[in-house]
Amino acid sequence: SQTIHQWPATLVQPVGSPLSLECTVEGTSNPNLYWYRQAAGRGLQLLFYSVGIGQISSEVPQNLSASRPQDRQFILSSKKLLLSDSGFYLCAWRGIGGPTDTQYFGPGTRLTVL
Amino acid sequence: RKEVEQDPGPFNVPEGATVAFNCTYSNSASQSFFWYRQDCRKEPKLLMSVYSSGNEDGRFTAQLNRASQYISLLIRDSKLSDSATYLCVVKGPFRGAQKLVFGQGTRLTINP
Repeated sequence: SQTIHQWPATLVQPVGSPLSLECTVEGTSNPNLYWYRQAAGRGLQLLFYSVGIGQISSEVPQNLSASRPQDRQFILSSKKLLLSDSGFYLCAWRGIGGPTDTQYFGPGTRLTVL
Repeated sequence: RKEVEQDPGPFNVPEGATVAFNCTYSNSASQSFFWYRQDCRKEPKLLMSVYSSGNEDGRFTAQLNRASQYISLLIRDSKLSDSATYLCVVKGPFRGAQKLVFGQGTRLTINP
C-alpha cells in the first residue's frame, strides 16, 4: 500500500531564515505530487504540483520554491522566510484510477515563523 | 465568488442527531466531487466520493445536484467521534495534473 511521509512534523524558524521541507511517497511510482498550505482558520491553498522528476508547476507567486529531485521525493524550499509563511504545509499524492482518483495527504509540517 | 463555498459553522449538535452540510461550486464543468474530513491539527482524509446518483456509506449520505451545482453531506445518528471539520472538494476540469479545489470547511462538534 502507499504511504506518504513528511518531515519535520513541527518547525519554528526566525524571519529571514531558509526553509526546506521534505515529502516522500512509498508504494507507487511516478506519482503526481502536490504542496498545499493551510493558514490558521483558512482553506487549503495549492502551492506547487509536479507530474514527474524535475517538473514543477507553481500556482501562486511567492517566496517559496519546489523541487523534485527523485521520482518519489518532493521538496519545498525558501531562501528567506516571511511571517506570512507560517502555516500547516501538506504534501499530497494522487491515487490514479477508479472512483478514488483523488489526492491523499501526508501528516503535514506545522511551520511557525517568528 | 469563491469556487467552492461552504457554511463555516460551527455546528454544535447533540449526540445521536442528524446533521446536514451544504456546499456550492461555481464551475459547471467540474468533474468529480468529494468530502474530506479533517481532525484538529491533522491532515485531511478522504471521507467519501460523491456520485451523481447519490451514495451512502454507513451513516453518511452524499448527494450531488449538478443543475444547481450543489453538494450535500448528511450524517445520521451522529457520534462524538464525528466531531471534525468537513471539507467539500471539487475536481477539474484541468489539463495535466489533477487539481482539486477545497472549500474552507464546515466545523462540526458533537456534544454528549
